[in-house]
Amino acid sequence: QLVLTQSPSASASLGASVKLTCTLSSGHSTYGIAWHQQLPEKGPRYLMKVNSDGSHTKGDGIPDRFSGSSSGAERYLIISSLQSEDEGDYYCQTWGTGLHWVFGGGTTLTVL
Amino acid sequence: QVQLVESGGGLVKPGGSLRLSCAASGFTFSDYYMSWIRQAPGKGLEWVSYISSTSGYTKDADSVKGRFILSRDNAKNSLYLQMSSLRDEDTAVYYCARAAYGSGWYRIDYWGQGTLVTVSS
Repeated sequence: QLVLTQSPSASASLGASVKLTCTLSSGHSTYGIAWHQQLPEKGPRYLMKVNSDGSHTKGDGIPDRFSGSSSGAERYLIISSLQSEDEGDYYCQTWGTGLHWVFGGGTTLTVL
Repeated sequence: QVQLVESGGGLVKPGGSLRLSCAASGFTFSDYYMSWIRQAPGKGLEWVSYISSTSGYTKDADSVKGRFILSRDNAKNSLYLQMSSLRDEDTAVYYCARAAYGSGWYRIDYWGQGTLVTVSS
């Protein structure tokens, strides 16, 4: 069964970089995922797609500070030059073999 | 620019029905799969249902199967979710979302702002 696992929380200092991780369950290490950002009291926003080879395609208007990469079954969202407005929840999402969508549990990012 | 605007949320009693609508603009609606995703208070995102671009195929999450019906009107650039036999656990913000295809799978690439559905007696 396809499961996406995310750490519940992460934190980093203003101006620093942070790497958020989404781990694909066993047998699904070739899957690509999408990252979505949800700021407080807002709807989600698509950030990018990250493929198994580490290539990524960002959504419209997503700043260069956001990038993606991969290693094995892990997919990463890297945010550099952290700003206070980056605080929020980050979700990964993919497409299961049963033709359905799967979401990770989300990571709450705190900017210190 | 792409816009998805949901409407139709509100307070409904358990066992009741509600119809959500999503008005799409800024893109060729008939070219895209569309979906509803929900978020219960304080919880994460849960996929509910999606529909193919021509309405030829729909798929529902097990949690709503047999109770929710997803449809679309490409002439009106609109997506609908008919919800019936509502339960307390259906209480959530419901988001309309567009799906883009690439690399062999569909990802959500645009979201609406959501509409709140509260199921309570």
